[in-house]
Amino acid sequence: KAGVTQTPRYLIKTRGQQVTLSCSPISGHRSVSWYQQTPGQGLQFLFEYFSETQRNKGNFPGRFSGRQFSNSRSEMNVSTLELGDSALYLCASSGGQGANIQYFGAGTRLSVL
Amino acid sequence: AQTVTQSQPEMSVQEAETVTLSCTYDTSESDYYLFWYKQPPSRQMILVIRQEAYKQQNATENRFSVNFQKAAKSFSLKISDSQLGDAAMYFCAYRSHNSGNTPLVFGKGTRLSVIA
Repeated sequence: KAGVTQTPRYLIKTRGQQVTLSCSPISGHRSVSWYQQTPGQGLQFLFEYFSETQRNKGNFPGRFSGRQFSNSRSEMNVSTLELGDSALYLCASSGGQGANIQYFGAGTRLSVL
Repeated sequence: AQTVTQSQPEMSVQEAETVTLSCTYDTSESDYYLFWYKQPPSRQMILVIRQEAYKQQNATENRFSVNFQKAAKSFSLKISDSQLGDAAMYFCAYRSHNSGNTPLVFGKGTRLSVIA
């Protein structure tokens, strides 16, 4: 069974641009969560989608948004990028009998110049 | 809000020896899950072990075991017979057991080095 796939692995953008990151969950998983990882703040929860609906949201500005498609794939978008948005963005999926366990992808490393 | 504290930013262990990573958490809930995740340089967060709060028995997974002290809100990870491949960042995480899907709350992590 394929794991969680995140694309792209690396991104370099400049301030003011916008970016879209993609996450394909494990087959059969309907929940997708996004986390931001930085050296200073550690791992922080962004939002979670289940069956195309945002079910939970962390404390991030409205520039951070996401969506989920009918095949459970999810995208997150960051508009008007700031230097502080440079981070590793991790996606995790869960579902089925092990719904309390989140399985992570390898992340997308975003650098904002 | 729940918090997770890992008081050891860095630890080291000799190959084949045993090491214990500490984790404490703060919650007013009685039912929850606790996890240890490993993040090697490849960046992928890998589940090491999990514990359900209502289970008194400590979880074990091969060389990995936990010491879960619910009253003390402590959840330490013991790695036996350490191997070079165990070198990584280790994160302790908490998750509520409420209805619906609740996010993981992570500690700041412990960087484990394994010395050959």
